[in-house]
Amino acid sequence: AQSVTQPDIHITVSEGASLELRCNYSYGATPYLFWYVQSPGQGLQLLLKYFSGDTLVQGIKGFEAEFKRSQSSFNLRKPSVHWSDAAEYFCAVGTGNQFYFGTGTSLTVIP
Amino acid sequence: NAGVTQTPKFRILKIGQSMTLQCTQDMNHNYMYWYRQDPGMGLKLIYYSVGAGITDKGEVPNGYNVSRSTTEDFPLRLELAAPSQTSVYFCASTEAYEQYFGPGTRLTVT
Repeated sequence: AQSVTQPDIHITVSEGASLELRCNYSYGATPYLFWYVQSPGQGLQLLLKYFSGDTLVQGIKGFEAEFKRSQSSFNLRKPSVHWSDAAEYFCAVGTGNQFYFGTGTSLTVIP
Repeated sequence: NAGVTQTPKFRILKIGQSMTLQCTQDMNHNYMYWYRQDPGMGLKLIYYSVGAGITDKGEVPNGYNVSRSTTEDFPLRLELAAPSQTSVYFCASTEAYEQYFGPGTRLTVT
């Protein structure tokens, strides 16, 4: 069965520091991979997606993610975090007609 | 384009009551989804639809029903509300594997 693991429940970073959020997936083939962001009281917004090709993908708001097949990982990164990046981040796998989400990582940004 | 809209935003139900959560999209997407989000649990798929007249179960369908009579609408029905259905419900429509989420409905069953 497909599964998505986000090992960090909560991360705190200082504004201007770099950020990496971890995501590991379990799937037989190369899945479609996604990162979403959710601000409090809002729905989810797509940050970026990976289908195939270049393993480093760029997204909105200065985020990027790298697909590593050997590690079954799709970690999200940002070189310099802004206070407005504080939110919940979800990694997801798309397979067939369904999507599977991780449990999320809550990001706090301190000034 | 309003995108994906959901009504109501909030609702409190008594145990055993029924209700329908409405979801409408104006992007002409064929694929639509219902998820529930519980604290610390991420999103779990309840039901999905690949087009009008076609629906299928997701991971957690028990206690829910759906219909898809038009491309635009994908209502979710709770027949006999239970406290375990207290959650935030999100509807999404999808094109080319990109999901567009509604703002959610926060449901409390007491």
